[in-house]
Amino acid sequence: QAQLVQSGPEVKKPGASVKVACKASGLPFNAYGFNWLRQAPGQGLEWMGWISAYNGITFSAQKFRDRVTMSTDTSTATAFMELRSLGFDDTAMYFCAKGESSGRGHYFGTWGQGTLIAVSS
Amino acid sequence: DIVMTQSPESLAVSLGERATMTCKSSRTVSYSSSNQTFLAWYQQKPGQPPKLLISWASARGSEVPARFSGSGSGTDFTLTISSLQAEDVAVYYCQQYYDTPVTFGQGTKVEIK
Repeated sequence: QAQLVQSGPEVKKPGASVKVACKASGLPFNAYGFNWLRQAPGQGLEWMGWISAYNGITFSAQKFRDRVTMSTDTSTATAFMELRSLGFDDTAMYFCAKGESSGRGHYFGTWGQGTLIAVSS
Repeated sequence: DIVMTQSPESLAVSLGERATMTCKSSRTVSYSSSNQTFLAWYQQKPGQPPKLLISWASARGSEVPARFSGSGSGTDFTLTISSLQAEDVAVYYCQQYYDTPVTFGQGTKVEIK
């Protein structure tokens, strides 16, 4: 069945960048869009953006538009999310999720296990 | 952005009893022309990613027990657990995918009374 496996936890200093990987298996990678979401400790879910694995088109939330880059490597069926200029409030669990629905937005039937990014001086 | 508001924040229900929670959107998430409602519900247990329970407001996900049901259209939605089981202790989130950015409610925490 479809599975998303994310890269491991990281600790970063303020101002640094982080790149999280999300490797897909059990699904036709190019047929889907992959979304990135995050969840700060004890908080709710926040959508960051989306990339089409078919044509590379991306769309990100206004809040992250200046400092997030999403990409894919179709040869390895992996999606990536890079977040720059990290601040303490970027400490969170970051999830990738396969998008469902062909409308403006997606719902999320398959999730990665999450990658904890901690920003600490 | 569409704001999703869930209530109550927490809910304590006895085993075998019904649990009901609501979600309200700040504007419609339904297309009347196509009769589609862009609303999903998720269950999240500690240390796990969310699990899709319901899409399209009322379509249960694969392998989701029949005790979970969703209803509503427009701006008002309900998730019902007909007979609460111990394994249903979790936080439940609603999400709209009518428009971008997709947005989530703040969650309802379900506990055993």
